[in-house]
Amino acid sequence: DAGVIQSPRHEVTEMGQEVTLRCKPISGHDYLFWYRQTMMRGLELLIYFNNNVPIDDSGMPEDRFSAKMPNASFSTLKIQPSEPRDSAVYFCASRAESYRTNTGELFFGEGSRLTVL
Amino acid sequence: LAKTTQPISMDSYEGQEVNITCSHNNIATNDYITWYQQFPSQGPRFIIQGYKTKVTNEVASLFIPADRKSSTLSLPRVSLSDTAVYYCLVGDALAPSNTGKLIFGQGTTLQVKP
Repeated sequence: DAGVIQSPRHEVTEMGQEVTLRCKPISGHDYLFWYRQTMMRGLELLIYFNNNVPIDDSGMPEDRFSAKMPNASFSTLKIQPSEPRDSAVYFCASRAESYRTNTGELFFGEGSRLTVL
Repeated sequence: LAKTTQPISMDSYEGQEVNITCSHNNIATNDYITWYQQFPSQGPRFIIQGYKTKVTNEVASLFIPADRKSSTLSLPRVSLSDTAVYYCLVGDALAPSNTGKLIFGQGTTLQVKP
């Protein structure tokens, strides 16, 4: 498997614009997670899905953020409108169901670095 | 929720063994100790996980004393490519619903010098 694939790797946009980040999890994984990483706050969990259904979105900072998972192989994280404080690296991760993993290992993508001017 | 404490940074030289200690005084019975590694411009990568005693794989060893209030990640004969941030996570990592409770924190930045 190619691993978790994210796009774009880098995005520079202006305040007020809509940003869409994309993720393709590892085939067969049941859970998908969106994280945000900044120097100040480290790695924070935003939302996660189980079998394409959002389970916990308590980490989503505000209504400007939304995430969808229309099928098992694709998820999006959208920010509308974007603000400079949204600048961060956004990671997508996936993992298998508990009975199919000995460790609960999270597999991360390479991240999408977002800069909002 | 088990809080972890690990050094902010460490320096080492190529070929040396590096030991990174993590303190987790209030670890719970169901908690595992998991270490991740993150290179610049990449996502974290799972290194090793243990519950008690010693665990070894092709990358590292994890030493956990009987009281489980601390753990030590050991990297044998480090190379320049081991320069990365190392995160110690404590929690019931097997349960997906607990993933949000696994705190990555600031980690330990290991700098390996030639």
